[in-house]
Amino acid sequence: EPEVTQTPSHQVTQMGQEVILRCVPISNHLYFYWYRQILGQKVEFLVSFYNNEISEKSEIFDDQFSVERPDGSNFTLKIRSTKLEDSAMYFCASSGGVLAPGRETQYFGPGTRLLVL
Amino acid sequence: AQSVTQPDIHITVSEGASLELRCNYSYGATPYLFWYVQSPGQGLQLLLKYFSGDTLVQGIKGFEAEFKRSQSSFNLRKPSVHWSDAAEYFCAVGPPTSGTYKYIFGTGTRLKVLA
Repeated sequence: EPEVTQTPSHQVTQMGQEVILRCVPISNHLYFYWYRQILGQKVEFLVSFYNNEISEKSEIFDDQFSVERPDGSNFTLKIRSTKLEDSAMYFCASSGGVLAPGRETQYFGPGTRLLVL
Repeated sequence: AQSVTQPDIHITVSEGASLELRCNYSYGATPYLFWYVQSPGQGLQLLLKYFSGDTLVQGIKGFEAEFKRSQSSFNLRKPSVHWSDAAEYFCAVGPPTSGTYKYIFGTGTRLKVLA
């Protein structure tokens, strides 16, 4: 069964450093997403991406964050200058993009646990 | 404001016992409803989903959920829990109309199964 993959599974970085989290969505999917979960808190939406541009972003997704689909398979989340509060589990997801929003099931990857020291 | 509440942070049940995980939502219209499970080191796996129609939906691994509009609830049930069901369970809602794609998640319920 096709699945979303994410690398690395864990990342430790120093405050102020840039990190890039990588995702390979399911191959025929058109919509891509990033969510995050701070320890003990809810899974929160960050951004959705379609047709090589951001289709929606949350208030969390400020100028420090960017997303990119650098090639036909990868989808990346870059955090430009990490802060302590960026420590979280980051989930990538993808959906087919054929049906109406919400009716499309989003398929999630295993997550990248980011720790900012 | 749109929100999803899972009132139980931790639940412990004995293997073979029945299980019910609660989920309540607050949304402007009846949203699409999902339950996901996360085992250690794994991604969020879809257990089941409700869009419309029969309010009792069947999912994978023997799980079912019932949508109750009057209670704004979508509780997950399993008649007999197996040790392999130990995991974290997330309820989520998706938008029934266009304009947004984001899911809203609850905080999750961590299930422990006693042998």
